[in-house]
Amino acid sequence: GDSVTQMEGPVTLSEEAFLTINCTYTATGYPSLFWYVQYPGEGLQLLLKATKADDKGSNKGFEATYRKETTSFHLEKGSVQVSDSAVYFCALSDRWGGSEKLVFGKGTKLTVNP
Amino acid sequence: DVKVTQSSRYLVKRTGEKVFLECVQDMDHENMFWYRQDPGLGLRLIYFSYDVKMKEKGDIPEGYSVSREKKERFSLILESASTNQTSMYLCASRKQGGEDTQYFGPGTRLTVL
Repeated sequence: GDSVTQMEGPVTLSEEAFLTINCTYTATGYPSLFWYVQYPGEGLQLLLKATKADDKGSNKGFEATYRKETTSFHLEKGSVQVSDSAVYFCALSDRWGGSEKLVFGKGTKLTVNP
Repeated sequence: DVKVTQSSRYLVKRTGEKVFLECVQDMDHENMFWYRQDPGLGLRLIYFSYDVKMKEKGDIPEGYSVSREKKERFSLILESASTNQTSMYLCASRKQGGEDTQYFGPGTRLTVL
């Protein structure tokens, strides 16, 4: 079945450091890919998404590129801020493969220190 | 903006109690979902609903049931709460046939004593 694997956390960085959170997937069809963010005490918010190969999603300085050849969707940010501290979830939606649901990775907790 | 609301942010119940978690969305979305979130396990789908009065089991439906009598409201029911159902419960909604994005509520943190 479909699955998402993302790097284990927690990740701790200093402010203005470069961030990469790795995400790879397996899917039977042609999935859409997502990054969701969960700030402390809150629900999930969509951070960015990409619906086909080579698409780049971007938002709030974060970027991720849909790489079909490596089945990856790594999240990057050039300069993190303390306010980026949160849990990040990679997810896929594989409607073409017959599933209507989102499949999530286990989440990566990011802490950014001043 | 899409808004998904959940009836409680925090809930404490006793073992054996019947528990209702309510979710309401205001964007006329056909699809609604219930997930639970546990440390180290991420989000797991409990049930989802394509439309009113329609429901499908997700990955972990045991011990739960759902109700969708109106399009905007999707209820999760714990018939007899147990301590292993202590968790964060997240509701989401999505437009049928449109973009794949699911929109989430703020979550209900349920503790079963």
